[in-house]
Amino acid sequence: DIVMTQSPDSLAVSLGERATINCKSSQSVLYSSNNQNQLAWYQQKPGQPPKLLIYWASTRESGVPDRFSGSGSGTDFTLTISSLQAEDVAVYYCQQYYTTPRTFGQGTKVEIK
Amino acid sequence: EVQLVESGGGLVQPGGSLRLSCAASGFTFSAYWMHWVRQAPGKGLVWVSRLNSDGSSTSYADSVRGRFTISRDNAKSTLYLQMNSLRVEDTAVYYCTRIGGSGTFDYWGQGTLVTVSS
Repeated sequence: DIVMTQSPDSLAVSLGERATINCKSSQSVLYSSNNQNQLAWYQQKPGQPPKLLIYWASTRESGVPDRFSGSGSGTDFTLTISSLQAEDVAVYYCQQYYTTPRTFGQGTKVEIK
Repeated sequence: EVQLVESGGGLVQPGGSLRLSCAASGFTFSAYWMHWVRQAPGKGLVWVSRLNSDGSSTSYADSVRGRFTISRDNAKSTLYLQMNSLRVEDTAVYYCTRIGGSGTFDYWGQGTLVTVSS
């Protein structure tokens, strides 16, 4: 199984400041047939299901604010919130869909400082 | 509007059974692969099982293989998860989710809570 490891486990950021979450996979999730990284980011607020933010490591899902961006390739990925808003308080998960079982990182809790 | 609505959760004793349902609407259910993902209280997301669009191919997490069975009724636009020999560690919110054009989970239900306890 591909192990996904996120860092940090939690972070507190001031409103309007940048938040950065890292995700590392135990093997490459770059799919050679389409040259796309099979890596997604989800946001989960308390009492709600996860919401897809980013797929193919850097493509924003429709309707997701452009302050959310994803980057990286191979085994190392980053989710950046460029200017943290109060509504961004949530737990964020990375997930690989390169192979089954689809595996998630342990989650990163983002709070307001 | 795409909607996924889970039902069937509840309290069950260890060794018992439950069948979860996920009613889909707002899209052509028969064209999509579907998955179940669970989340134990206060914990992270864990993939459970997947089923292809016509129901002919399944896959399971090691932790549930042999105990859980995923199935679907495309005529009823409904996904199922039959859970047998339940264990305390199966306690979780169970989400059904769809594989979209991105190749990953684009829509999720609100989840149904399964509690396994004596």
